[in-house]
Amino acid sequence: GAVVSQHPSWVICKSGTSVKIECRSLDFQATTMFWYRQFPKQSLMLMATSNEGSKATYEQGVEKDKFLINHASLTLSTLTVTSAHPEDSSFYICSANLRDRGGYTFGSGTRLTIV
Amino acid sequence: KQEVTQIPAALSVPEGENLVLNCSFTDSAIYNLQWFRQDPGKGLTSLLLIQSSQREQTSGRLNASLDKSSGRSTLYIAASQPGDSATYLCAVYFQGGSEKLVFGKGTKLTVNP
Repeated sequence: GAVVSQHPSWVICKSGTSVKIECRSLDFQATTMFWYRQFPKQSLMLMATSNEGSKATYEQGVEKDKFLINHASLTLSTLTVTSAHPEDSSFYICSANLRDRGGYTFGSGTRLTIV
Repeated sequence: KQEVTQIPAALSVPEGENLVLNCSFTDSAIYNLQWFRQDPGKGLTSLLLIQSSQREQTSGRLNASLDKSSGRSTLYIAASQPGDSATYLCAVYFQGGSEKLVFGKGTKLTVNP
């Protein structure tokens, strides 16, 4: 139980295009989801906190207009990388707090490559 | 600043050996601590969750301990197997801040057949 499904698992696109990554909670409702980015051989860095029905909270240094987050329902959060450039190439992972069940559960991640 | 540190950064052991991974954190006011496993290019798999009121948790060959007062946690892996090779991440949910985990940089474990 407590599965977070993330799609796509990998994507390659041209510089200047936009890419959307979806994160769904399959058997629980997630009022809050978290988006992380991980560069090679680095740990996970929190980008933003996605709140259902309200604006996302971004970490310092993360561009709000570049990384658009939408959390329109209790089971779906999306991250759109707009006007992507090669430096945006990274591994993006979403997460949800299981609250009563304890701990956090993570999606399987999306490998984004901008060429 | 709330930080999590993991040592060693990398560890290579022969199959069958028992091993310990270390995690330290700067603030003892925590809600819980969680150990994850990450395989190359994959997401995170939760291994063990220790609440702040607990001292240890066990799952199969894994045992995690928590000493809040000293700001330390260890992950003990018994009778290691090649399939245990992965990066192990320690994450702490600190009190007093926004609802988010702080991760260590991980320990890359290689178990050699």
